[in-house]
Amino acid sequence: GQNIDQPTEMTATEGAIVQINCTYQTSGFNGLFWYQQHAGEAPTFLSYNVLDGLEEKGRFSSFLSRSKGYSYLLLKELQMKDSASYLCAVLDSNYQLIWGAGTKLIIKP
Amino acid sequence: GAVVSQHPSRVICKSGTSVKIECRSLDFQATTMFWYRQFPKQSLMLMATSNEGSKATYEQGVEKDKFLINHASLTLSTLTVTSAHPEDSSFYICSARDSGSSYNEQFFGPGTRLTVL
Repeated sequence: GQNIDQPTEMTATEGAIVQINCTYQTSGFNGLFWYQQHAGEAPTFLSYNVLDGLEEKGRFSSFLSRSKGYSYLLLKELQMKDSASYLCAVLDSNYQLIWGAGTKLIIKP
Repeated sequence: GAVVSQHPSRVICKSGTSVKIECRSLDFQATTMFWYRQFPKQSLMLMATSNEGSKATYEQGVEKDKFLINHASLTLSTLTVTSAHPEDSSFYICSARDSGSSYNEQFFGPGTRLTVL
C-alpha cells in the first residue's frame, strides 16, 4: 500500500528553527509537495521537490532524498503566524496526490 | 499564482436536501479538477477526480450517485451532495491542475463548509 508518515504535532519557539520530517512509500514518484494549512482554510502551496537536494525559498526550505523516501521542511525565524498544519503529499505514478495526515505546528512566544 | 474560487464558502441545509458546490479556475484552464473532503483534525481525503468532458473517477467508498460531479467546461466543476445527511457535514475542498503547466501543482479553492442539520 501507499503510505506517508509525518509527526502528528510539533512545538517550537518564536524565532527558532524547526524541521518537519516526512517519509513515504508510494507506487512511483513524480514529486513531493509541502502545503501549509491554517485551521478552517484550504491548503496553500509551499514547495515542490522532484530531484534530490535542498530547495530554499525565503524562510522555508525543503529537502528530498528519493533513495531514502524522505523529505523535510525546514522553517527558520519562526513567527506566530507559522502556527498551522503542514501537509506532505507525494505525486505517485498515476499523477495522483497521496497525502500525509499533516503535522500541527504550535509556535510559542 | 493561479486562482481557484469555490462557492458557496459556507452552507447550512436540512437533512434530505441537495447542495451544489461550484469550483472555478479563474485565470487558467483546468482539464483535471479534484474534490476532497476533510473532517476535523484529519487530512484531506480525495473523493473523486473530475475530467473535463468525461465522467469523474471516484475513490473507493465514495458513492457516485450521492456525490454528483459535473465538469462541463475547462474552468468549472460542480459537486452536488444529494439527499444530504448530518454525516455529510464536512469541509469540501476542490483543486485544479493547470493544463498548461508541467509543474503538476494543484491549486486549491478556499473550501466549502457544509453543515447538515
